[in-house]
Amino acid sequence: EAQVTQNPRYLITVTGKKLTVTCSQNMNHEYMSWYRQDPGLGLRQIYYSMNVEVTDKGDVPEGYKVSRKEKRNFPLILESPSPNQTSLYFCASSFEGRGRQYFGPGTRLTVT
Amino acid sequence: DQQVKQNSPSLSVQEGRISILNCDYTNSMFDYFLWYKKYPAEGPTFLISISSIKDKNEDGRFTVFLNKSAKHLSLHIVPSQPGDSAVYFCAARGGGSQGNLIFGKGTKLSVKP
Repeated sequence: EAQVTQNPRYLITVTGKKLTVTCSQNMNHEYMSWYRQDPGLGLRQIYYSMNVEVTDKGDVPEGYKVSRKEKRNFPLILESPSPNQTSLYFCASSFEGRGRQYFGPGTRLTVT
Repeated sequence: DQQVKQNSPSLSVQEGRISILNCDYTNSMFDYFLWYKKYPAEGPTFLISISSIKDKNEDGRFTVFLNKSAKHLSLHIVPSQPGDSAVYFCAARGGGSQGNLIFGKGTKLSVKP
């Protein structure tokens, strides 16, 4: 089944404790992206990657890092999480940058 | 500054009637528009899209209309069904190769039986 998977689905952590949210797709997509969804703000793009080893900032990249060492994986790294990063995070992928994106199920992160 | 605006946070419609969800944008460089549907506890799923060179695209019960001069698009669902109850996001894609999507804040549609 073609899909985008994210892990974990739910995470509660404390300020400053480094964490990684994994994202994997099995559709051989070149383009991958991370979004966060906050009440009243919709979906905002954090980072995106056009291909392996090619990443760039989205609209709200502060406090986040990404890497794209393999085509299928695009982890989101929070080196020192803060409470304002409490949010619902979605990973997405598409065949190419201009194509329709497929979203993962989401990761709900709470930073206390 | 919001480039993609969905000014109605919510919409309630009777089953069988038409649902019209609206979206306005400010950037005339957007060349592709998409609608996504999102159920609680799930990721957004693609619904329908339209290129800026067209003014209408239809897929079953779903039709998207684009008015470039007004920088406005709308999603029509006819007839509406209770299973259509979800949050609908309008998204626009800028020109160039990046393909970054800019999303509106979403409209929550409730279809009453």
